[in-house]
Parts: sequence; C-alpha cells; structure tokens
Amino acid sequence: NAGVTQTPKFRVLKTGQSMTLLCAQDMNHEYMYWYRQDPGMGLRLIHYSVGEGTTAKGEVPDGYNVSRLKKQNFLLGLESAAPSQTSVYFCASTTRALNSPLHFGNGTRLTVT
Amino acid sequence: AQTVTQSQPEMSVQEAETVTLSCTYDTSESDYYLFWYKQPPSRQMILVIRQEAYKQQNATENRFSVNFQKAAKSFSLKISDSQLGDAAMYFCAYRSSGGTSYGKLTFGQGTILTVHP
Repeated sequence: NAGVTQTPKFRVLKTGQSMTLLCAQDMNHEYMYWYRQDPGMGLRLIHYSVGEGTTAKGEVPDGYNVSRLKKQNFLLGLESAAPSQTSVYFCASTTRALNSPLHFGNGTRLTVT
Repeated sequence: AQTVTQSQPEMSVQEAETVTLSCTYDTSESDYYLFWYKQPPSRQMILVIRQEAYKQQNATENRFSVNFQKAAKSFSLKISDSQLGDAAMYFCAYRSSGGTSYGKLTFGQGTILTVHP
C-alpha cells in the first residue's frame, strides 16, 4: 500500500541544469497535483492534472512543465533550474469526490546553487 | 480567488494543555470544504480533520476539534491534552465545491506548534 511515491527525495542542481521529478500513485486517483512549499508561504500549486493526458497551470507555473502520460504518474520538469526554484516539492492526488482529502507524497527537497 | 490566512506563525503549549490555532479565509462561495493538515519534521503531510461548510456541527477527531464560524469565515483548530507528538507545522486549507475546482487546495501560511514537556 504505497500511496503516493515521489522520487528523488533530495537533489542539488546547478543553475541552468534540468531535472524531472517523478510522482506515482497506486490509488487509481483521477486528480494529481504538484505543489511547492516555501517558508512563510505555505504550499502553492504549480500544475495539476484531472486525468491521463491532461494538464493545467496552477498559481506558480512559470519555469516548470508537467506531463501525465499514464494515469498513475505525474512528472514535473525543470528545464533550466534557477535559485528561485529552491524549495520542497510535493505531489498529491485525490478522487473526484468533493470531500476527498489530498494524499501527499513525502516531498522532494531541491536546492539550486 | 480564495485566500487562506493563518495569522500565528508560531504557537507553543505545555504538554497536557489545550491550544487553539487560528485560520481565516476569504470566499464568495456558500459551499466548500476546509481541512487541517499536520506536517511533522518528517515532512509528511497528514490530514488531521475536515469540515464541510454545509454542516453546522463542528468536526471532531479524538483530541482535535474545530470551531467553524461560517459567517465570520473562521476555522480554528483546537488540540486538547497536547502531546509531544503534536509538535509540527499545521496548515489550514480550503477546497471549493465548484465543478471546475478539480479538488485543488488553497493553503494558509502554516503555524509551527511547539509542545513543551
């Protein structure tokens, strides 16, 4: 019963490098999300997906791209990392039911130097 | 757009005492959902309690209860008989019931709770 799994847990990048964060869920959830957490700002929505093959922008989408080729996976890409993208990234998923809570992965701490 | 405000960056409580964490939100909707999540140092996000706006009764989960004041747009979390394991960051979150909200949560800034033995 893995729930939501994020890889990697930690990563250090140099400015300009690229990387992809992987999120996988085994609960057959339709909706998936990527959030970033920064001190004093709570969690802010980067991108989200309401189903396989669909993606949409959230509150802070600039500098990120996403893909959801399979229902269980949601990838977050940074094409050219910037120090402002240093953050903790969370993936989450849920069902269409209105009162269904989000299930979160354990986060990825990313540092861009 | 909805906003969620947690005005207490930090709170502390003695073990076995009671503490209340504040949360206010701004919305023009009449139906929505509110959540409290706990984030311990492990970084895991754990659902503490949820409240449906159409329910007048305040939600309760063991030592955790809420004071939901819909007219005031207030949703505070009360932790009774505080334990050392309650020490964490607590986030208040709002979810619209609208069809195009797609389950997205809007979070407050978080409150760090310290529990003193």
